[in-house]
Amino acid sequence: EVQLVESGGGLVQPGGSLKVSCAASGFSFSGSAMHWVRQAPGKGLEWVGHIRSKPNSYATAYAESVKGRFVISRDDSKDTAYLQMDRLKTEDTAMYYCARPRGEYSGTYYDCWGQGTLVTVSS
Amino acid sequence: QSALTQPASVSGSPGQSITISCTGTSSDVGSYNLVSWCQQLPGKVPKLMIYDDAKRPSGLSNRFSASKSGNTASLTISGLQAEDEADYYCCSYTSSGTMIFGGGTKLTVL
Repeated sequence: EVQLVESGGGLVQPGGSLKVSCAASGFSFSGSAMHWVRQAPGKGLEWVGHIRSKPNSYATAYAESVKGRFVISRDDSKDTAYLQMDRLKTEDTAMYYCARPRGEYSGTYYDCWGQGTLVTVSS
Repeated sequence: QSALTQPASVSGSPGQSITISCTGTSSDVGSYNLVSWCQQLPGKVPKLMIYDDAKRPSGLSNRFSASKSGNTASLTISGLQAEDEADYYCCSYTSSGTMIFGGGTKLTVL
């Protein structure tokens, strides 16, 4: 069974940093890109970014709203993806989901989502 | 990049059909046959309903169908049931190699 489990969320002050994790199981993690998607309380889904697999040079891409502040990485030996969030703003408060992409390129749809980890940015 | 445009809400009675639209641009929805739709039940994680514009995942009810014309994609749910009440999001791959979601549509079954 494909499973994604996020962890590491919590309360952080504006301007602070936080690193959340996504542990994968049930599929070939090293052969898959991984995406992060967030959802602010009561709001819609927002794509955050992705990291591709080793054959694709671990290439990353980010939404404009987080570019320069967030970094996605992965450790294939641990089947885990990470989202490092720096210079956090109150508007970054959201549930952060990792999602397994399928399809061409870096992935064009999501067939599996984690349960999410809540990040709250507040003083 | 702004979110794809969806109506904020739609409603229908049990047994009826409803359609949710999703409008983008020639850089996303209109560029490839790569629009997907997901359903998010209250308090739950999103679930894939449609991919590659109009394909249904194995096992999904054929009450859910989708189409696309130009820069606008559409999701149709026929034979509405109470369990269909949820938020629905469209999502598209973009020519920049990123993904973009719609703002979401709340479906109410009357």
